[in-house]
Amino acid sequence: EAGVTQSPTHLIKTRGQQVTLRCSPISGHTSVYWYQQALGLGLQFLLWYDEGEERNRGNFPPRFSGRQFPNYSSELNVNALELEDSALYLCASSLRLAVTDTQYFGPGTRLTVL
Amino acid sequence: GNSVTQMEGPVTLSEEAFLTINCTYTATGYPSLFWYVQYPGEGLQLLLKATKADDKGSNKGFEATYRKETTSFHLEKGSVQVSDSAVYFCALSPYQGAQKLVFGQGTRLTINP
Repeated sequence: EAGVTQSPTHLIKTRGQQVTLRCSPISGHTSVYWYQQALGLGLQFLLWYDEGEERNRGNFPPRFSGRQFPNYSSELNVNALELEDSALYLCASSLRLAVTDTQYFGPGTRLTVL
Repeated sequence: GNSVTQMEGPVTLSEEAFLTINCTYTATGYPSLFWYVQYPGEGLQLLLKATKADDKGSNKGFEATYRKETTSFHLEKGSVQVSDSAVYFCALSPYQGAQKLVFGQGTRLTINP
């Protein structure tokens, strides 16, 4: 069974640009989560999508946004990039209604903002 | 609020040594608890989990017991290997349903041969 996949693997952008990151969940999973792993800041929750709707949002500015498609894949968009947006962005998926509720992570997209 | 505190790293041990990484949490209600591992250059892998008090999660020789009375979920392994070198994250899910994970700061473990 294929795991969570993310694209691209690496990305280099400059300040003020916009970026889109993509995530495909494990087959059968309806929930997708996005996390930011910035150096020295640990893992911070960004967004949770389920059944195409945004269900929860972390403490991030509105220039971080996303969506979930009917096939449950997801995009994370970051507008007006700032230097501190440089981080590893991790996507995870889960069976929302499963008793176990375990989140399974993809390999991440490393974003560098110059 | 919900938070997770892990022991400060980095931790360096010799092969076959006993490992303990401390994790304590603060949460409302009854969270689920997790340990994730991140190998160099990779994403997170679930190592083990426990969903209620006194549950013991175990995998690959690692164990952790959900202790409600001490709000702890310490990770242990009896004999570590070089291949266990990684960053370990303790996390909680505030509700029994799939919600956001709250992570500790991570503990970098290095095992020397």
